[in-house]
Amino acid sequence: GAGVSQTPSNKVTEKGKYVELRCDPISGHTALYWYRQSLGQGPEFLIYFQGTGAADDSGLPNDRFFAVRPEGSVSTLKIQRTERGDSAVYLCASSLGGLPDTQYFGPGTRLTVL
Amino acid sequence: SQELEQSPQSLIVQEGKNLTINCTSSKTLYGLYWYKQKYGEGLIFLMMLQKGGEEKSHEKITAKLDEKKQQSSLHITASQPSHAGIYLCGASGSSNTGKLIFGQGTTLQVKP
Repeated sequence: GAGVSQTPSNKVTEKGKYVELRCDPISGHTALYWYRQSLGQGPEFLIYFQGTGAADDSGLPNDRFFAVRPEGSVSTLKIQRTERGDSAVYLCASSLGGLPDTQYFGPGTRLTVL
Repeated sequence: SQELEQSPQSLIVQEGKNLTINCTSSKTLYGLYWYKQKYGEGLIFLMMLQKGGEEKSHEKITAKLDEKKQQSSLHITASQPSHAGIYLCGASGSSNTGKLIFGQGTTLQVKP
């Protein structure tokens, strides 16, 4: 079956601009996770959804970052007033929703802020 | 806050050799995951360990979780070039969240 998909695969933007990153989870997965990964580091947790609601958003670095999952499937990560330090690979994962549960990752979106 | 330390940071082995990667936490783990990542790609799930003393194997890769659930090891037998990549351990520090904390990764090169 289809895995987690993320679009776009690459995004280049200018400092101060707004960006949206999209994640399509595996069909039937109720939990969805966002992480970001800087070069040479492991993924860093941002937020996770159980259904439509954010179950844990403790990893969002500041109020420029926001994520939604209005229908409990596709999720969008929104970054306002981008800064050069936001440049990273943004990874999305989904799982069936149990705790603990195996998370399956998408290929990521590489964001570059110039 | 919980941290996961992986060792070694990088490893170069000759094809056919065995190797071990370690992942250590200062706190009890509730679910320990091993993933593999190729450069520029997403994470591929390898194995999940939950119980103290648990051991799982898939093909030539074996993962173990110690009895205290604070340390895990990943062992590859008779390494092949296809095993090359970045190995990441991830874990939950609590039973009531899906949030995972990851180690910094171990880069493995296998020389033919």
